[in-house]
Amino acid sequence: AQSVTQLGSHVSVSEGALVLLRCNYSSSVPPYLFWYVQYPNQGLQLLLKYTSAATLVKGINGFEAEFKKSETSFHLTKPSAHMSDAAEYFCAVRGSTLGRLYFGRGTQLTVWP
Amino acid sequence: DVKVTQSSRYLVKRTGEKVFLECVQDMDHENMFWYRQDPGLGLRLIYFSYDVKMKEKGDIPEGYSVSREKKERFSLILESASTNQTSMYLCATKGTGGTGELFFGEGSRLTVL
Repeated sequence: AQSVTQLGSHVSVSEGALVLLRCNYSSSVPPYLFWYVQYPNQGLQLLLKYTSAATLVKGINGFEAEFKKSETSFHLTKPSAHMSDAAEYFCAVRGSTLGRLYFGRGTQLTVWP
Repeated sequence: DVKVTQSSRYLVKRTGEKVFLECVQDMDHENMFWYRQDPGLGLRLIYFSYDVKMKEKGDIPEGYSVSREKKERFSLILESASTNQTSMYLCATKGTGGTGELFFGEGSRLTVL
């Protein structure tokens, strides 16, 4: 079975500070992992994905994530937060049934000026 | 780019009404999904379809049905809307093969009074 746990439903950082959003996964098969971002009143947009190639994955808007098998983690980071990064972020793992995705509960990122 | 269009962004319905949420995609994707999004619960899968006229229950199918008569269109039906179905509904699509990311529509926010 597949599942995702996102630690921290709300994260607040100052503009220019490091962003760290945590995601741990459980998967019975080699995982494909995803981070999505959702801006207010919009759908989800893919930030980045891990598909068993490089363990450090770079995405859009300066975000990156590192796959650590030993820790079953796929944490999302950005060195310097920008006001425009304020949004909700979802981690997801691909399941074995027709490739459906299992999502975490989301982390709301607030960026203070 | 994949375009996933949800016909209604905002709907207000009364308890007991029949509600149709429409989703159309233009990328010839085989797989289509309906998710429900609620604060603190993330995205939960209602139904998905991997081919025309084929459907599979997700994690929370009760109170919902779906229809897929054409490849590009996937409809979510609430036979008798209830207040606990007030939510954001997200449609997504995925091609066969590839790395499996989903492409989302902008969502339909349903309020049932």
